[in-house]
Amino acid sequence: EPEVTQTPSHQVTQMGQEVILRCVPISNHLYFYWYRQILGQKVEFLVSFYNNEISEKSEIFDDQFSVERPDGSNFTLKIRSTKLEDSAMYFCASSERALNTEAFFGQGTRLTVV
Amino acid sequence: DAKTTQPNSMESNEEEPVHLPCNHSTISGTDYIHWYRQLPSQGPEYVIHGLTSNVNNRMASLAIAEDRKSSTLILHRATLRDAAVYYCILKDNQGGKLIFGQGTELSVKP
Repeated sequence: EPEVTQTPSHQVTQMGQEVILRCVPISNHLYFYWYRQILGQKVEFLVSFYNNEISEKSEIFDDQFSVERPDGSNFTLKIRSTKLEDSAMYFCASSERALNTEAFFGQGTRLTVV
Repeated sequence: DAKTTQPNSMESNEEEPVHLPCNHSTISGTDYIHWYRQLPSQGPEYVIHGLTSNVNNRMASLAIAEDRKSSTLILHRATLRDAAVYYCILKDNQGGKLIFGQGTELSVKP
């Protein structure tokens, strides 16, 4: 069964450092998403991406965040200058289309900022 | 996005049916009702979705009230592996994002 793959599974970084989280969506999917989940809290939408551009973003997704699809298979989330409060599980998801369909989620990257 | 209300937690016995309720009284005519679940230490997983008619798939059934103000996710025979947080989400036709609430934490007793 096709799956969304995320690497690394766990990343520890120092406050102020840049971090890149990587995702390989399902190959025929056209819509890509990032979500995060702070420990003990609900899953929060960050950004959606379609046709090589951001289609929607939440208030959380400020200037320190960026997304890219550099090579047609990977989908990355960059956090430029990490803060302690960025510590969370980050989930990538993809779907064939935006509406009336299911989203497939990866297993997540646990980001710990120290 | 329209809001949903779910019980914080429910308990079930293994091999018994489970009915997980969701209220969405402010649902609009174009909102789809989606259910996802999140097993411990995993990413969310799609369960089922529907618009007006009841839906069945290999994982579960979705019963939608006639006025669409509520729905029920039915697991026909709960297994220990079904212990998870279940999210009822209304998804409009404005985009693909999912807005998660707190969900219902389902525990399954052997």
